[in-house]
Amino acid sequence: DAGVIQSPRHEVTEMGQEVTLRCKPISGHDYLFWYRQTMMRGLELLIYFNNNVPIDDSGMPEDRFSAKMPNASFSTLKIQPSEPRDSAVYFCASRERGTAEAFFGQGTRLTVV
Amino acid sequence: RKEVEQDPGPFNVPEGATVAFNCTYSNSASQSFFWYRQDCRKEPKLLMSVYSSGNEDGRFTAQLNRASQYISLLIRDSKLSDSATYLCVVNGGDSSASKIIFGSGTRLSIRP
Repeated sequence: DAGVIQSPRHEVTEMGQEVTLRCKPISGHDYLFWYRQTMMRGLELLIYFNNNVPIDDSGMPEDRFSAKMPNASFSTLKIQPSEPRDSAVYFCASRERGTAEAFFGQGTRLTVV
Repeated sequence: RKEVEQDPGPFNVPEGATVAFNCTYSNSASQSFFWYRQDCRKEPKLLMSVYSSGNEDGRFTAQLNRASQYISLLIRDSKLSDSATYLCVVNGGDSSASKIIFGSGTRLSIRP
C-alpha cells in the first residue's frame, strides 16, 4: 500500500478563495482523522470519521471549515472563504480498527495571502 | 487547560547523554498512550506505545503513571539521529475512545 496520500502538497491562495484539501486513507482503515499543525497551537484534531461517518467535529474552528467522506477511500477538507490565519500544515491520518497506530500523510502546506 | 500538555523545549543535549520528557493528560478515562516522533517538515510517526507496566525498546523507555496522569519517555545514549520533535499522544477515553489527541511536542536537539 502507498500509505495515506494527500493532495496537494503545497497550496498558496489568496484570502477569500475556496481551498479543498484531499486525502486517500490506507485501504481497509476504518478511521480517518484531519489535523492542523501550527507553531503556536501544535497538532490540533479538527474532525474524525469512522466508516465514513463524522464522529467528532468539535475541533473544526468555525463554519468556514467543512469535511466530507463520501466513501471509504476519499475525504476532503474545505475552507471557504480562506483567511490568512488558516495558514498551516494540514495532515490526514488513518487507523485500522483494533490497532493503535495512526498513519499520517505527508501533509498539505497551506499559505493564505 | 489543554488535554495533553508537554514542555515544548527545546532540549539541547550532547551526544551520548540521557534525556527524559514528561507529558500530562487531563482525561482520567484515557486508556491508550503513545509517543510519536516528528522530523522537521515531515509527518508524525509512531515511536512506541506506552503500557501500564512500562516498556522498553532499545534505548527508549516509556512509563505511565495513571495516578498522576503523566507519561514519560527516556532516551539513553542519545544519537544525533534522535534530534526531532517528540509528541505525546492519548486517546479520548470513554465515549471518545477512538479520538487521538496530540500534545504540542517537545523539541530535542542532540549536539556532537
